[in-house]
Amino acid sequence: KAGVTQTPRYLIKTRGQQVTLSCSPISGHRSVSWYQQTPGQGLQFLFEYFSETQRNKGNFPGRFSGRQFSNSRSEMNVSTLELGDSALYLCASSVLAGNSYNEQFFGPGTRLTVL
Amino acid sequence: TQLLEQSPQFLSIQEGENLTVYCNSSSVFSSLQWYRQEPGEGPVLLVTVVTGGEVKKLKRLTFQFGDARKDSSLHITAAQTGDTGLYLCAGSSKAAGNKLTFGGGTRVLVKP
Repeated sequence: KAGVTQTPRYLIKTRGQQVTLSCSPISGHRSVSWYQQTPGQGLQFLFEYFSETQRNKGNFPGRFSGRQFSNSRSEMNVSTLELGDSALYLCASSVLAGNSYNEQFFGPGTRLTVL
Repeated sequence: TQLLEQSPQFLSIQEGENLTVYCNSSSVFSSLQWYRQEPGEGPVLLVTVVTGGEVKKLKRLTFQFGDARKDSSLHITAAQTGDTGLYLCAGSSKAAGNKLTFGGGTRVLVKP
């Protein structure tokens, strides 16, 4: 079974631009979560989608948004990029949102650099 | 807000030595997971513990969930260079909508 895939793997943008990242979950996984990882803040939860609906949301500004399609693929968008948005963005899928274990299967991440 | 604190933040040991990583919280979790992340890759799930007092073994790795389900530990016996990586604990609870809360991570370096 193929793992979680994320595209692109690397991205360089400048301040003020916007960016869209893509994630394809493991086949059969209906829940997709997004995380931001930085050296200073660690792994922080952005949001979770299940059946095209946002189920959970972290404490990030409205510039960060996401969506999920009917085939469970997900995208996240960051508008008006800031230098502090430079990070590794990780997507993770799980079998079923709402199960008490919520075991996550991560993709390799997209390394975003904002200049 | 549920918080998970990991200690130590960094650990450097020689191959063959043992090590223990701790994950502590004031909150109760319904489950706790341990992940390992290597440079340039996403975290990989190692184990999930769900019962207070539970001990799980994965080859040279031993995971323990505290009786009160507020803390956990990861012990590696006779560490190998391949154990090098960032170890992350993560907890989930129904009270928090099953959202995973991650600890800050412990960076382990096993030197040959």
